[in-house]
Amino acid sequence: NAGVMQNPRHLVRRRGQEARLRCSPMKGHSHVYWYRQLPEEGLKFMVYLQKENIIDESGMPKERFSAEFPKEGPSILRIQQVVRGDSAAYFCASSPVGDGQYFGPGTRLTVT
Amino acid sequence: GENVEQHPSTLSVQEGDSAVIKCTYSDSASNYFPWYKQELGKGPQLIIDIRSNVGEKKDQRIAVTLNKTAKHFSLHITETQPEDSAVYFCAAHYNQGGKLIFGQGTELSVKP
Repeated sequence: NAGVMQNPRHLVRRRGQEARLRCSPMKGHSHVYWYRQLPEEGLKFMVYLQKENIIDESGMPKERFSAEFPKEGPSILRIQQVVRGDSAAYFCASSPVGDGQYFGPGTRLTVT
Repeated sequence: GENVEQHPSTLSVQEGDSAVIKCTYSDSASNYFPWYKQELGKGPQLIIDIRSNVGEKKDQRIAVTLNKTAKHFSLHITETQPEDSAVYFCAAHYNQGGKLIFGQGTELSVKP
C-alpha cells in the first residue's frame, strides 16, 4: 500500500509566480490535511479537506492561498503571487475516518 | 485557545539510556495524542498514539503516558539507539478527523 505522495518534492519560484503543490492520499483515505513547516519550527495546520469539500480552513491565509480536493485526482494547494515568506516545507497528511494522520514527504518551496 | 507546549527542545543521551519528552496541552476537549518522528529532509512519521480513554500505551521500546487531569502526556524511549536520533513532535487533536496542534519539537541526539 503506497504511502501519501506529494509532488514536486522541490519547487523554486520567483516572487509573483504561482506555486501548485499536489498530494495523493493513501488508498482508502478520504481526509486530507495540509501543514506548513518553517525552518526549525513545528508544523502549523493550514486546511482540512474531504472529497469536494473544505472542512476547516482556519489556518490558511485569506489571500493568495487556496486548496481543493476534487472528486477525481489529487488534492492541490495553490499559492498565487508567491513572496519570500512563503518559502517553507509544505506537508500533506491523509487519514481514514477517525484515525491517525499519515504524512507525505513534503514539498520544499523556495521563493527567490 | 489551542496550544501544545513541548520540552525539552534538545535532548542528548548516551546509547542505551532512556529518553523522555514531555508535552502539555491547553484544550481539555482534546482526546487524541499522536507522536511523530521526523528525520532530516523527510516527512513526519507516526510512531505511537494514545486516546484519552487510556493512560498508557507501549510498543516495544516506545511508550506514551497520558495524565488527563494535569493535561500532560509524555514519550518514553528505552534502550536508545543512534537511529533514534531525529526530531520528535507531540500533537493534540480534539475534533474527530480534525486538525492536529503540534508542539515545537524535540531534537534527540543519541551518542554511540
